[in-house]
Amino acid sequence: GESVGLHLPTLSVQEGDNSIINCAYSNSASDYFIWYKQESGKGPQFIIDIRSNMDKRQGQRVTVLLNKTVKHLSLQIAATQPGDSAVYFCADYSGAGSYQLTFGKGTKLSVIP
Amino acid sequence: KAGVTQTPRYLIKTRGQQVTLSCSPISGHRSVSWYQQTPGQGLQFLFEYFSETQRNKGNFPGRFSGRQFSNSRSEMNVSTLELGDSALYLCASSLRTASYQETQYFGPGTRLLVL
Repeated sequence: GESVGLHLPTLSVQEGDNSIINCAYSNSASDYFIWYKQESGKGPQFIIDIRSNMDKRQGQRVTVLLNKTVKHLSLQIAATQPGDSAVYFCADYSGAGSYQLTFGKGTKLSVIP
Repeated sequence: KAGVTQTPRYLIKTRGQQVTLSCSPISGHRSVSWYQQTPGQGLQFLFEYFSETQRNKGNFPGRFSGRQFSNSRSEMNVSTLELGDSALYLCASSLRTASYQETQYFGPGTRLLVL
């Protein structure tokens, strides 16, 4: 079964606001997490990753937070733009040394102009 | 650097036929993984190839198979197609040179429709 799941299937935000997409995982042995963005008709696009020895990592307009205590991670998008409209997935590897990514169901982000 | 490429992009087959999909990884990447994406099941792992050997396998029937060539290019084959095999098939590549797990980068996918 899945070890990664998402709390909300859809999220609508106003352009310019910040977006927060949440993800829960169940495998306490997971130590590498990846966020992907998938636009309609395209493959998943890497956004940002984080390893379990970190609790926060920042990229360009995106921040990932990892809370290992409650097995939760989130993706924050600052100043959300129409181009951010997509489905966002969190994913992790199913175990040490595994290259099998387990994906959550995804959250569809809609940006309201 | 060119990304992961997949061919063909679209395919229509009928039940009982077989299909072969192709994937060329990012230059220098040695690991290729395949995923199936459907509205009902989401993204599911099929298998991973590294150094021409299958290293990981998901919970799919034996009708799904694959291989990797010495140049890291990979193919997956689905025999005796069923209607439920209609999906977006995604290929992802990774360097797999380090002792720790690395990011997988996805191609655009092959959309397979089985009639």
